[in-house]
Amino acid sequence: EAQVTQNPRYLITVTGKKLTVTCSQNMNHEYMSWYRQDPGLGLRQIYYSMNVEVTDKGDVPEGYKVSRKEKRNFPLILESPSPNQTSLYFCASSLSGQGALGYGYTFGSGTRLTVV
Amino acid sequence: QKEVEQNSGPLSVPEGAIASLNCTYSDRGSQSFFWYRQYSGKSPELIMFIYSNGDKEDGRFTAQLNKASQYVSLLIRDSQPSDSATYLCAVASTGGGNKLTFGTGTQLKVEL
Repeated sequence: EAQVTQNPRYLITVTGKKLTVTCSQNMNHEYMSWYRQDPGLGLRQIYYSMNVEVTDKGDVPEGYKVSRKEKRNFPLILESPSPNQTSLYFCASSLSGQGALGYGYTFGSGTRLTVV
Repeated sequence: QKEVEQNSGPLSVPEGAIASLNCTYSDRGSQSFFWYRQYSGKSPELIMFIYSNGDKEDGRFTAQLNKASQYVSLLIRDSQPSDSATYLCAVASTGGGNKLTFGTGTQLKVEL
């Protein structure tokens, strides 16, 4: 089944404890991206990658890191999480190297992160 | 000014009626337009996309695009209780990684 897989689905952590949210897609998509979703603010892009070893900042990159060593994987790293990073996170991928222009995104099932 | 604006709702319609969801966008260079459906706590699911001015129909769904007015809409005919969800309008533009910019969504409630 074609899908974007995120892990974990739920995570509660403490301020300052490094964590990684994994994202993997099995559709051979070139483009991958991370979004966070907050009430009243909607979905906002954190980082994106147009291909292996090519990543760039989105609208809200502060406090996050990403890497794209393989085409299928795009982990999101929080080096020192803070309570304002409590959110619902989505990984997304797109067939086209042109990002969302042609095909939109396929989303993962989401990771609900709580930082206390 | 928000880049993609939607009325947050809730929009309540009776079962079997037509639901009309609207969206405006600010970037005239936008090229692709998408409607996603999101159930509470779940991931967004693509319903329709449209690139050209006019109407595009897919089953009970019709997307309408007017680039001159920077306006996109989604009509849902014969609304069902299972259509109750939040509908996200998303716009893709060149630049910035060709990302999707989302509105905050309109909550639709279909009542029996």
